[in-house]
Amino acid sequence: ETGVTQTPRHLVMGMTNKKSLKCEQHLGHNAMYWYKQSAKKPLELMFVYSLEERVENNSVPSRFSPECPNSSHLFLHLHTLQPEDSALYLCASSQERGAKNIQYFGAGTRLSVL
Amino acid sequence: GNSVTQMEGPVTLSEEAFLTINCTYTATGYPSLFWYVQYPGEGLQLLLKATKADDKGSNKGFEATYRKETTSFHLEKGSVQVSDSAVYFCALSRGNQGGKLIFGQGTELSVKP
Repeated sequence: ETGVTQTPRHLVMGMTNKKSLKCEQHLGHNAMYWYKQSAKKPLELMFVYSLEERVENNSVPSRFSPECPNSSHLFLHLHTLQPEDSALYLCASSQERGAKNIQYFGAGTRLSVL
Repeated sequence: GNSVTQMEGPVTLSEEAFLTINCTYTATGYPSLFWYVQYPGEGLQLLLKATKADDKGSNKGFEATYRKETTSFHLEKGSVQVSDSAVYFCALSRGNQGGKLIFGQGTELSVKP
């Protein structure tokens, strides 16, 4: 148990659906992250939030829309996804942004887009 | 730009064998270096880290030394167990990039009894 909880663990959606991924951290951290993990590829950083402000967006398509309503919760809203968006989506948090801050990861949401 | 390269997997070993997973990096300045482990069906967990040259990170029998002269951070364990079967990720982080983690592609380790 890392203190970062992601729901749902598995999600199957059609290309026209709208769904949301949820991440909650119980560690009192100020920074939260979304990553995409595809088979045979390095983890890709999607978004970074620091103190509820989005501070990084790595050229992610607009069909992915993050939301950070408070420092403990992070959402990833999904709409009109493509089959190539099927992947494991990982949430992480850290005390602060910074090179020496350890990131703690949730178990991920396995997304399948049909 | 910054990057991390790991040895290709999968790596298959017998229990009690010696493990080395190679990791080299490209970065300017002095990044912090990390090894994360991902067990089946779980997220990533920090295994060990080193924040400056010649530092040795260690945890659960695993070790890695920050070698700036060879830009390497190889992971080693003297005697692996079946429970060590997982995917191992090497990563770097630079302070002037707000702690952004750059990951290698991961190396799958399978330990047979």
